[in-house]
Amino acid sequence: EVQLVESGGGLVQPGGSLRLSCAASGFNFSSYEMNWVRQAPGKGLEWVSYISSSGYTIYYADSVQGRFTISRDNAKNSLYLQMNILRAEDTAVYYCARDRRLDLWGRGTLVTVSS
Amino acid sequence: SYVVTQPPSVSVAPGQTARITCGGNNIGSKSVHWYQQKPGQAPVLVVYDDSDRPSEIPERFSGSNSGNTATLTISRVEAGDEADYYCQVWDSSSDHVVFGGGTKLTVL
Repeated sequence: EVQLVESGGGLVQPGGSLRLSCAASGFNFSSYEMNWVRQAPGKGLEWVSYISSSGYTIYYADSVQGRFTISRDNAKNSLYLQMNILRAEDTAVYYCARDRRLDLWGRGTLVTVSS
Repeated sequence: SYVVTQPPSVSVAPGQTARITCGGNNIGSKSVHWYQQKPGQAPVLVVYDDSDRPSEIPERFSGSNSGNTATLTISRVEAGDEADYYCQVWDSSSDHVVFGGGTKLTVL
């Protein structure tokens, strides 16, 4: 089955860190660009970060630049998002999504930043 | 940075046609993608590259893009089409993915 499964979300205090993972299956992961997209409670979709298929090209939204790091391990069919210096406004469901068309999404993992 | 604008809400009776717009400066020169998101679920791609449709999406969903407006059209609307719809483009000047604010489709 073609799917993406996120994990690693949870409750973290402001200023803390969290690492999200996205496990891909059913397709040739190493051939695809990947993204992280988030959605705060009751809000719209917000793009977070992009990584090329090789991992050499990376882009970030201004809101996370310098705090978040995207990476991938093509041998493990996995995508990651290291999130540091977390703020209350980072609270959201985080989705991984395939390709610039975002043609395949995971179910998301909830990150809550609160003291 | 590039901005795309959607109406917050659109209402339509069952069986009628819903049109959801996505406005942006010369958006006709970009590829526009559309997503449907139902409550508690992840978004689903319903139209890509302005007017193409994934094989699993009904033919009732179609798209167009010209000038400063892209449009998602849903024909013969059903109760199950009630959802939030988002447009998306790639802004090559900033190398960012850009989403519209989303449109809530209500089926009366």
